[in-house]
Amino acid sequence: SAVISQKPSRDICQRGTSLTIQCQVDSQVTMMFWYRQQPGQSLTLIATANQGSEATYESGFVIDKFPISRPNLTFSTLTVSNMSPEDSSIYLCSVGRGQGIYEQYFGPGTRLTVT
Amino acid sequence: KNEVEQSPQNLTAQEGEFITINCSYSVGISALHWLQQHPGGGIVSLFMLSSGKKKHGRLIATINIQEKHSSLHITASHPRDSAVYICAALSNFGNEKLTFGTGTRLTIIP
Repeated sequence: SAVISQKPSRDICQRGTSLTIQCQVDSQVTMMFWYRQQPGQSLTLIATANQGSEATYESGFVIDKFPISRPNLTFSTLTVSNMSPEDSSIYLCSVGRGQGIYEQYFGPGTRLTVT
Repeated sequence: KNEVEQSPQNLTAQEGEFITINCSYSVGISALHWLQQHPGGGIVSLFMLSSGKKKHGRLIATINIQEKHSSLHITASHPRDSAVYICAALSNFGNEKLTFGTGTRLTIIP
């Protein structure tokens, strides 16, 4: 298994500001994922972050709005830039492990409210 | 139509009841996850299965690949089981992406 921690666990931010969310894993992993869960919705993949390469963003998400860093195999950050109330969501990181059929482990999430 | 559908969307039951949550998917998958999300937002992975049946404590997950259907069962339900249960299908196209169902909100009344 993998133990994942996220910081902050929650935050309330003003419109137009930026917030950086940290994700720390207790072991080295190749693939890390960032998800967004808007109120009442299911999870949506923002991007896949592999160490040593640029993050791969899903349709509808761009690097300028959600820059991601992956400096090593146990850590990643997601920044939500120039926030608006529509960015109020739970942001989760997860990691994948294994080959072929692999398991995915999720962090506790960061609950963001933009006022 | 979503590629992964769950039913019911909401379920309220009395403590001790046997609970079944269903998940149907239309895409080819290599595995299916069952996840539990508590009100704080954190997600716990309950099961990952690609065939047959898995059991952990009072939780049982089954999958029928031919019928593209999976079920999550909770025996002797307890108020602490109250949470949102989400199934997520892992694509078999090698891109390791999960497609999530919309979740089932379970409330167990003492």
